[in-house]
Amino acid sequence: EDKVVQSPLSLVVHEGDTVTLNCSYEVTNFRSLLWYKQEKKAPTFLFMLTSSGIEKKSGRLSSILDKKELSSILNITATQTGDSAIYLCAVEENSSNTGKLIFGQGTTLQVKP
Amino acid sequence: NAGVTQTPKFQVLKTGQSMTLQCAQDMNHNSMYWYRQDPGMGLRLIYYSASEGTTDKGEVPNGYNVSRLNKREFSLRLESAAPSQTSVYFCASRDYKGQPQHFGDGTRLSIL
Repeated sequence: EDKVVQSPLSLVVHEGDTVTLNCSYEVTNFRSLLWYKQEKKAPTFLFMLTSSGIEKKSGRLSSILDKKELSSILNITATQTGDSAIYLCAVEENSSNTGKLIFGQGTTLQVKP
Repeated sequence: NAGVTQTPKFQVLKTGQSMTLQCAQDMNHNSMYWYRQDPGMGLRLIYYSASEGTTDKGEVPNGYNVSRLNKREFSLRLESAAPSQTSVYFCASRDYKGQPQHFGDGTRLSIL
């Protein structure tokens, strides 16, 4: 059965700290891995990683895909209270054109002032 | 710049009542999805519509039905609500293969 596992499930840090969130997957026919940030409402898209794009960066956030280890990390440097959210990892299969995503449980990040 | 719009935002039902959750997107996307989010379980796919005129079951379809009314709208129906269906429901859409899904703000549903 395909699955996506995130760790840790929750994390509390102080402003200015650097955090690393982990995502591992067991998916039969991998196409891409996506990271989303969820504050109070809708998950918002952060990054998509594929075989042709294994590293992405946007400001203080960066993500790397390790296809050998079947995993990805999301790094946030110089954390701010506005980074407090649930971070979701999802994997898309390549077996059809449905676009179905398999989500991990999410990592809840709390950044204290 | 609406994106994906879900209605209602909140709803309380009694066990056995029926209800339809509405979702509409204004991005001309082909595919639409319904997820439920429960604490500690991430998002789980209920049903999806890869293109207008088609619908398919996801991971947790039991107790739900869907209708892809047109390219813009995708509704989720609970025929006889049960307390186990208390959850936050998200609708999402995407344009074509290789593009990320975009989510609505969710419907928080409580079933007593």
